Parts: sequence; C-alpha cells; structure tokens
Amino acid sequence: DADVTQTPRNRITKTGKRIMLECSQTKGHDRMYWYRQDPGLGLQLIYYSFDVKDINKGEISDGYSVSRQAQAKFSLSLESAIPNQTALYFCATSDFGGEQFFGPGTRLTVL
Amino acid sequence: GENVEQHPSTLSVQEGDSAVIKCTYSDSASNYFPWYKQELGKRPQLIIDIRSNVGEKKDQRIAVTLNKTAKHFSLHITETQPEDSAVYFCAASMAGYSTLTFGKGTMLLVSP
Repeated sequence: DADVTQTPRNRITKTGKRIMLECSQTKGHDRMYWYRQDPGLGLQLIYYSFDVKDINKGEISDGYSVSRQAQAKFSLSLESAIPNQTALYFCATSDFGGEQFFGPGTRLTVL
Repeated sequence: GENVEQHPSTLSVQEGDSAVIKCTYSDSASNYFPWYKQELGKRPQLIIDIRSNVGEKKDQRIAVTLNKTAKHFSLHITETQPEDSAVYFCAASMAGYSTLTFGKGTMLLVSP
C-alpha cells in the first residue's frame, strides 16, 4: 500500500537536545509538509517542500529546520529542543492541487 | 496570508440529529476547501472537498456548501452516528499554488 510513514512514533527528550523526526512516502508525490498539532490550535504548518530542491518556511518555523533528502524523504530537526515544542507532529504529502495525505504522527515530549 | 475561522469549537448532538460546522476564509483567491476528520489518536483524513466552481457537494450523509460572495463554507452531517465523533478541520487554499490553511477544529460528540 502506498503510504506515508513517520519515525519515531513517540519520543521523549530533554531540553537542549537535538532531535530529528523522519518522514517517508511511497505515494510518488512531489510535495511534502510538516505540521505541528497542539490542542485547540489546529494544524500549524512548520515547513513545506514542493519538490526536492524547494524548501519554504511555514507559519511557525522558528526553532525548526528541515532537509529534503529525496522525493520520498523529508526530515524535521529541532536543533535545541525546548519544552514548548512538546506536541504532536504530522508529515503530509500531496500532488499539485490535490488531497494531502497525513502520516501517523510523532508524539514528542521535551522535558 | 489566508486566515480561516471555524465554529463552533465543540458540538454535542444526539444520535440521529444533524450537525453543522461553519468556516470563514479571508483570501478571495482561495478556490479549494477540504474537510478533514481526525479520530482520537489517529491521523487527519480527507472526508470531502469542494472547489469554487460549485456551490454544494454531497457524499452520502455528508455535504459541503460554499458561498464565495460571503467567503464561508459549511459541513453538514445528517443522521449522525457515534462513529462520527471526532475532530473536524476545515481548510482553504489556492489549489496548487498555496499551502492549506486550517481552521482550529471542531470536536463533535455524538451521544447514543
């Protein structure tokens, strides 16, 4: 089944640590996205990439960076994690103008 | 940029009742309006979408209406069932040219 996968699914880390969240997709889509979900705040866009050579900041990019290693892979890094980055993180993919397909999510806790 | 407002934030109904969730958007260039359903502990999944060249779209018990002049769109769920309980998100974009902007979500609870 073509799908969107995320690793790890759960992660607990300490303040100041560097952490990487990974996303892979087998849908063949060019476009990939990273979102953060906090209760009552919906889905906030962190970074997005419309193709392998394209990286764009979203509405809440401060404290995050990304890498698009291939069409199928898009990683999100927290250079120095802080407690208010505790959240549920989703990766998503889409083709041009179409439905976004979400990964299962990564629950990140920063102590 | 686009701004999407969604109401209500929570909605409780009895099984069999109808539920309506409303969203407004700010950018008149937006032309694609999807609705996502997120069950507890799961990923958001598209349930229905509408593009600006139509005013209404139906799929079994769910329907979406769009008023471009007023810049608002709504999700209608008829004959609600307990399995409809979830968080629903509306979103808006200029299809293909901009990213989706999501509303903050509506938690729908359907009581048996």
